[in-house]
Amino acid sequence: AAGVIQSPRHLIKEKRETATLKCYPIPRHDTVYWYQQGPGQDPQFLISFYEKMQSDKGSIPDRFSAQQFSDYHSELNMSSLELGDSALYFCASSLNVLSSSYNEQFFGPGTRLTVL
Amino acid sequence: GQQVMQIPQYQHVQEGEDFTTYCNSSTTLSNIQWYKQRPGGHPVFLIQLVKSGEVKKQKRLTFQFGEAKKNSSLHITATQTTDVGTYFCAGRNFGNEKLTFGTGTRLTIIP
Repeated sequence: AAGVIQSPRHLIKEKRETATLKCYPIPRHDTVYWYQQGPGQDPQFLISFYEKMQSDKGSIPDRFSAQQFSDYHSELNMSSLELGDSALYFCASSLNVLSSSYNEQFFGPGTRLTVL
Repeated sequence: GQQVMQIPQYQHVQEGEDFTTYCNSSTTLSNIQWYKQRPGGHPVFLIQLVKSGEVKKQKRLTFQFGEAKKNSSLHITATQTTDVGTYFCAGRNFGNEKLTFGTGTRLTIIP
């Protein structure tokens, strides 16, 4: 079965550079979520999109932005990178709470971002 | 904001022993989900609990949702080496889409 695809899997950037992470949700899933997970920490919710519109916002820095495109893939754009942005970034997809009461989130393999 | 705490943070058990992790939310939840994350892997959905007092079983795993819908537990009977990983609860508030993940319990098995 198709899973959530994330690219790239690994990314190394310098401080103050920009990065773009991509996520391709499971077909027919209408909601995409972005999480940040630091070493030994729990996933922190950043932002979500439902039908290409931002649906919820968490602890996403102002330096970050995200969008969902017409083909439902999503991109997380990160600017002015800081050392503290080094983390695993997960994308997850699901059916929306509005369309299904059972909305398990399927996580992608993650993008490991290292900021030097 | 909403906080979801889990205890213990770490648990080391002998293979064959039982394991329990407890999850407590600062707010009443509409539902709670449990995920397992293997070392180096991504969170994988285990189960969702919706009803007050709900109990669900998956083979050796038993999940419980508290009557007040603010706490939950996961109990593993007779642990095996394949149970190694970090177990997260994740709570959802009414009307929200986002999940707030608990702090996680890292389970290691001593063969």
